[in-house]
Amino acid sequence: DAGVIQSPRHEVTEMGQEVTLRCKPISGHDYLFWYRQTMMRGLELLIYFNNNVPIDDSGMPEDRFSAKMPNASFSTLKIQPSEPRDSAVYFCASSLGRGYNYGYTFGSGTRLTVV
Amino acid sequence: AQSVTQPDIHITVSEGASLELRCNYSYGATPYLFWYVQSPGQGLQLLLKYFSGDTLVQGIKGFEAEFKRSQSSFNLRKPSVHWSDAAEYFCAVGAGVGNTPLVFGKGTRLSVIA
Repeated sequence: DAGVIQSPRHEVTEMGQEVTLRCKPISGHDYLFWYRQTMMRGLELLIYFNNNVPIDDSGMPEDRFSAKMPNASFSTLKIQPSEPRDSAVYFCASSLGRGYNYGYTFGSGTRLTVV
Repeated sequence: AQSVTQPDIHITVSEGASLELRCNYSYGATPYLFWYVQSPGQGLQLLLKYFSGDTLVQGIKGFEAEFKRSQSSFNLRKPSVHWSDAAEYFCAVGAGVGNTPLVFGKGTRLSVIA
């Protein structure tokens, strides 16, 4: 398996623009997580899905952030409009079950820079 | 709810020296405990995990961790550090019941000097 695939690896955008981050989880995994990593806050859970259904989005910072999982093999995290403070590395992770038996498998992340 | 603390933000060790990274958790019952490593520009990779049984668990890359219930700790150790071990290390805890995601600590950055 190719692992969790995220795209793009790097994104530079201007303030006010829409940004879409993409994630392909490992086939067969039924949980998908979106994390944001910054120096100040560390690793923050934004939202997670179980069987394509959003379970908890309380970590989404503002209404500017939205996430979807239209099917078991694809998820998006959208920021509209983007702001400089959204600059961070965004990780997607997937797991089989809650992830306690095998842990989470993380993608390589998308480094977002908003200028 | 469970929580995890990694008291050390940054640690520097000499190559060949031993290493211990600290992790303290808060959870009322037996937790699920994990250590992950993040190399620069990469995602997190699972090093080892503990659920039950032997409190000393072995992981990849020569790492081990010991669960100490009395101290609510799950410290990561390596007897001899290699320069390639320089990375960020994250401890994570999961609740024994329920459906909550893993909670990650803020990480400890390890630097290795010659």
